[in-house]
Amino acid sequence: GAVVSQHPSWVICKSGTSVKIECRSLDFQATTMFWYRQFPKQSLMLMATSNEGSKATYEQGVEKDKFLINHASLTLSTLTVTSAHPEDSSFYICSAPPAGYEQYFGPGTRLTVT
Amino acid sequence: DAKTTQPTSMDCAEGRAANLPCNHSTISGNEYVYWYRQIHSQGPQYIIHGLKNNETNEMASLIITEDRKSSTLILPHATLRDTAVYYCIVTDSWGKLQFGAGTQVVVTP
Repeated sequence: GAVVSQHPSWVICKSGTSVKIECRSLDFQATTMFWYRQFPKQSLMLMATSNEGSKATYEQGVEKDKFLINHASLTLSTLTVTSAHPEDSSFYICSAPPAGYEQYFGPGTRLTVT
Repeated sequence: DAKTTQPTSMDCAEGRAANLPCNHSTISGNEYVYWYRQIHSQGPQYIIHGLKNNETNEMASLIITEDRKSSTLILPHATLRDTAVYYCIVTDSWGKLQFGAGTQVVVTP
């Protein structure tokens, strides 16, 4: 089946710094990828749709200047959390649809901001 | 406004079939029913999807009622590794996935 990877799997950073999370489709090309955030004991919340070669589209309430998304190639999308604060600590997950129907998810990145 | 309604939790005996219900009474004609599951601290895993016909794959079966207002995911022989949160999601084929609370399934020996 299709494989999506994320890097890093976990990261700890200090408040005020920026953190970049990578999402890669390993065996297929993805013109679209999705980014989710999940707080403890809660469900996944869709943050944004990453589009190769164009701007990302953000869900209502998600700050686009804080969560920068770049989809520079057909296999890589990055999410940068700028000026991170403790409330940004969460589990960040990406997904991509290889053929337009089912989506494949990355293993997630756990971000802790101290 | 949630598009689907699922029970909060279910227990299932190992080796028995697990039947997970989902209500989606406002589903549109072009919307599919998708099932995903998430094992603790991992990314969600695709299980199955369908439009109006029943579907089966190596993981599960999906039974959709004729009026498409509800569906049931069937895990034919539950194992301990099937313990997870199961999400029923309604969306069009290229649609974004909006996750609800899902059903926490616990498979016990």
